Amino acid sequence: AQTVTQSQPEMSVQEAETVTLSCTYDTSESNYYLFWYKQPPSRQMILVIRQEAYKQQNATENRFSVNFQKAAKSFSLKISDSQLGDTAMYFCAFSYVMNYGGSQGNLIFGKGTKLSVKP
Amino acid sequence: EADIYQTPRYLVIGTGKKITLECSQTMGHDKMYWYQQDPGMELHLIHYSYGVNSTEKGDLSSESTVSRIRTEHFPLTLESARPSHTSQYLCASSDWPSGQGYNEQFFGPGTRLTVL
Repeated sequence: AQTVTQSQPEMSVQEAETVTLSCTYDTSESNYYLFWYKQPPSRQMILVIRQEAYKQQNATENRFSVNFQKAAKSFSLKISDSQLGDTAMYFCAFSYVMNYGGSQGNLIFGKGTKLSVKP
Repeated sequence: EADIYQTPRYLVIGTGKKITLECSQTMGHDKMYWYQQDPGMELHLIHYSYGVNSTEKGDLSSESTVSRIRTEHFPLTLESARPSHTSQYLCASSDWPSGQGYNEQFFGPGTRLTVL
């Protein structure tokens, strides 16, 4: 079964600096999606960025970018120019593509990394 | 504005009480989910639904039950609450399967349940 591992329970970064959150996953398949979700304190979880496994180009969304290493099964999130509003739990998640092997595309989440941005 | 709502946001209740956690969405999505999340931990899928009159159990066994009578409404019920049910419950929806091929889920704010 696929698993998602986030090895950093907590991290902190100074405002305006860059931080990288790590995520590894385990799957024997070649076709899947990876996601980073952000859960701010007492606020709704939102999608930060998405990566399709068959695309070699790393996804980028403004200050957020990923380093996707398919062979190493690694999917790290880099946050540039960190802002106080980036303080949140960050969850890495995995899903198979639609209808692959009977999959319903449900998400598998890692345990999360608590990121604190300090002024 | 399209959104997903959960009520109540916080609930403290005694053992043995029946409770219903409400989840509604105005996203027009067919698929809905319930997750259980202990503080500082990952999300575990406990129920999901493909649409009206469809309910499925998730990866984590739960004593709760769900119903889906209307597309926009997906309530979760605990017939007899126990302290072991203390947790945060998150509701989500998605337009899966969509032409995009991936399952982007939209989450509600959650209900933090404490059973004394």
